[in-house]
Amino acid sequence: GENVEQHPSTLSVQEGDSAVIKCTYSDSASNYFPWYKQELGKGPQLIIDIRSNVGEKKDQRIAVTLNKTAKHFSLHITETQPEDSAVYFCAATYSGGYQKVTFGIGTKLQVIP
Amino acid sequence: EPEVTQTPSHQVTQMGQEVILRCVPISNHLYFYWYRQILGQKVEFLVSFYNNEISEKSEIFDDQFSVERPDGSNFTLKIRSTKLEDSAMYFCASSEWTAQETQYFGPGTRLLVL
Repeated sequence: GENVEQHPSTLSVQEGDSAVIKCTYSDSASNYFPWYKQELGKGPQLIIDIRSNVGEKKDQRIAVTLNKTAKHFSLHITETQPEDSAVYFCAATYSGGYQKVTFGIGTKLQVIP
Repeated sequence: EPEVTQTPSHQVTQMGQEVILRCVPISNHLYFYWYRQILGQKVEFLVSFYNNEISEKSEIFDDQFSVERPDGSNFTLKIRSTKLEDSAMYFCASSEWTAQETQYFGPGTRLLVL
């Protein structure tokens, strides 16, 4: 089955700096990669996703890149703000009828004001 | 904005007891999911449900687990005989179509088995 590795597990950045979280996946059939943000006491919320037919996607301060050959994808947050502090999960799934989404271990991001 | 709701938010039970976790998915969504997150670990897929039947389940989802959509709005996860290792946060999610679409997560139910 699919295995998603994520690093770092914790990340501290100064407000205004950029944060990068990296993930790798094992199943070359995976073709949909969502990123979730989980704030304390809440369920994961989708912040951005990317499909395997594109290499990069951007939404304001958040961008995601995908390298299918290397089987890794990354989340980039620019101009970080204190409200970006949360746990971020990468995930992978396959569109061929499977419903299972495999998550990474999560990255606890702390933005220091 | 529509949201997934879950009840209860916290549940404490004795080992061996049955628990039912309840979820109300977003009304026009067709796929429903349960995930769990043991403290400090990754979110793990348990089961997906479509058209009143399980469409996929993980190896975690053994015979002690069952899911049901008892009416047009609720989606439940039953754990028949709880074990200590079932202690976790359980998240319900729903999506309009398949797992390829955005899955909207509820706030979770924290289950503690004593």
